[in-house]
Amino acid sequence: DGGITQSPKYLFRKEGQNVTLSCEQNLNHDAMYWYRQDPGQGLRLIYYSQIVNDFQKGDIAEGYSVSREKKESFPLTVTSAQKNPTAFYLCASRIGSSYNEQFFGPGTRLTVL
Amino acid sequence: RKEVEQDPGPFNVPEGATVAFNCTYSNSASQSFFWYRQDCRKEPKLLMSVYSSGNEDGRFTAQLNRASQYISLLIRDSKLSDSATYLCVVTPGGSYIPTFGRGTSLIVHP
Repeated sequence: DGGITQSPKYLFRKEGQNVTLSCEQNLNHDAMYWYRQDPGQGLRLIYYSQIVNDFQKGDIAEGYSVSREKKESFPLTVTSAQKNPTAFYLCASRIGSSYNEQFFGPGTRLTVL
Repeated sequence: RKEVEQDPGPFNVPEGATVAFNCTYSNSASQSFFWYRQDCRKEPKLLMSVYSSGNEDGRFTAQLNRASQYISLLIRDSKLSDSATYLCVVTPGGSYIPTFGRGTSLIVHP
């Protein structure tokens, strides 16, 4: 089945630690996105990538980093510089440079202890 | 003014009711419009696209009003299972970066 997978589903981190969230898709989509969602809030864009080996900052990139070495994979690292990282993180993909719909992974819920 | 605005609700309606949500957008050159449904603690899932000519899928009807810059979602004969948050998504022309509204919460009660 084609789709987007994210792992882990739940992640607990101590303050000061970096963590990496996985996002993989087998939809052959060029564009991939990372969003953060806080309770009662909308989705805020962290980073996006329209093509392999290229990515751009979104609205709230500070404290996050990404890589796009393969078309299928777009991991997100939450660094210790992110001051309030507890949130629901969603990865999405879309046929690149188009106005088509996005498809979302099931999300990773990160909690900083 | 926010780029995409939605009434957060909640809209509390009985089963069988008809309910409508609106979503306004600020960029007049916006090119694509979608409604997504998001259940509690889950990912958003595409409900329907919104075309200039309107779009109907069973009990759901979506419409676009470019002159007034809003899209709407109408749900007829509401079911308990329709309870969710409905997200409006608009993509400005030329950017390919979708903008999400904060969502409208719908609660359907017996």
